[in-house]
Amino acid sequence: EDQVTQSPEALRLQEGESSSLNCSYTVSGLRGLFWYRQDPGKGPEFLFTLYSAGEEKEKERLKATLTKKESFLHITAPKPEDSATYLCAVCSDNYGQNFVFGPGTRLSVLP
Amino acid sequence: DGGITQSPKYLFRKEGQNVTLSCEQNLNHDAMYWYRQDPGQGLRLIYYSQIVNDFQKGDIAEGYSVSREKKESFPLTVTSAQKNPTAFYLCASTSSSHAFFGPGTRLTVL
Repeated sequence: EDQVTQSPEALRLQEGESSSLNCSYTVSGLRGLFWYRQDPGKGPEFLFTLYSAGEEKEKERLKATLTKKESFLHITAPKPEDSATYLCAVCSDNYGQNFVFGPGTRLSVLP
Repeated sequence: DGGITQSPKYLFRKEGQNVTLSCEQNLNHDAMYWYRQDPGQGLRLIYYSQIVNDFQKGDIAEGYSVSREKKESFPLTVTSAQKNPTAFYLCASTSSSHAFFGPGTRLTVL
């Protein structure tokens, strides 16, 4: 059975204090790993798709990386507007086009 | 603008009532999904449909029903058999690269 875990559950940073969020996965036949940002009371917003180990994607202060067992979302010099819950999801051979989501990491960036 | 709309934004249900959540997309996507989100948990798949007039149960389908009569629409009915329906419900559709989500409906049981 595919599993996705995320750590930490919650993270509090000072503005400008860089850090990383972790997404660990156990799947059979990874088709893709996805990062989303979710603001309270809203639907998730797509950030990145990673397909194979060694792949990296960047967008503004965010950088996502992928290994065979985990993915990291690096946040460089975060700003208060980066505060949100970050969700990780995988798509695998087990589930066809379906996704398995992790519980998310709740990030707070203090000014 | 292409996207997914969900209505209503907030919904209140009395005990024993069935309620229907609307989901419409104009992205021309074949596959559509319904997820339930509870605090501290990941999104859990309720139902999905990969083509019109066909749908499959997800991990937590009990107490829910869906229909897919049009490509653009995938309504979800929360029946009285769902004993703990208070949650945030998200509709999604997928392209070849990733899933797009609607803004969600928050359902509360009174």
